[in-house]
Amino acid sequence: DSGVTQTPKHLITATGQRVTLRCSPRSGDLSVYWYQQSLDQGLQFLIQYYNGEERAKGNILERFSAQQFPDLHSELNLSSLELGDSALYFCASSPGQGGSYEQYFGPGTRLTVT
Amino acid sequence: GDSVTQMEGPVTLSEEAFLTINCTYTATGYPSLFWYVQYPGEGLQLLLKATKADDKGSNKGFEATYRKETTSFHLEKGSVQVSDSAVYFCALDVYNFNKFYFGSGTKLNVKP
Repeated sequence: DSGVTQTPKHLITATGQRVTLRCSPRSGDLSVYWYQQSLDQGLQFLIQYYNGEERAKGNILERFSAQQFPDLHSELNLSSLELGDSALYFCASSPGQGGSYEQYFGPGTRLTVT
Repeated sequence: GDSVTQMEGPVTLSEEAFLTINCTYTATGYPSLFWYVQYPGEGLQLLLKATKADDKGSNKGFEATYRKETTSFHLEKGSVQVSDSAVYFCALDVYNFNKFYFGSGTKLNVKP
């Protein structure tokens, strides 16, 4: 158990809908990262927050947005969903930012868009 | 641009065989390099890391050396076990630019 929790575990929704994925980092960790893992794209970094502020952006679509709240939990919002958004979404946390810190991954949220 | 390339799988080995999974990278700046492992149905776990050239990361019998001259970070284990069956990801983190890249993953199957 990494100490990172993600809810829900599974989500099934229809095209065009909007969903919110939630992540609670390990106690004391200030950074939260979001990743998308799909069969054809592999594991892709989406976005990073550090202590409430956006710090790095990867291959995140404009239909997707995220935020980190004062209690450090984070939410990833996916809107106008398409079939291709079906994937496993991972959240990770670390004490700081940058390569000297290990990222601890949550168990993931499996999103299925029908 | 920055990227990580790792050998395609699946890799199938017998128990106690020697393992090498190749990983090469391209990066601006000075990256840290990582190997993560994903067991079935779980999230990724850090296996080992190296933060500068010539560093060797090691954990659970796995080793990888940060080779700047060949831009490589190959994963090795002298004697694999069935419990090592998992997907292995090579990754880099370009700290100064806050960029994180993962390879496509290599599935390892170890047969008894």
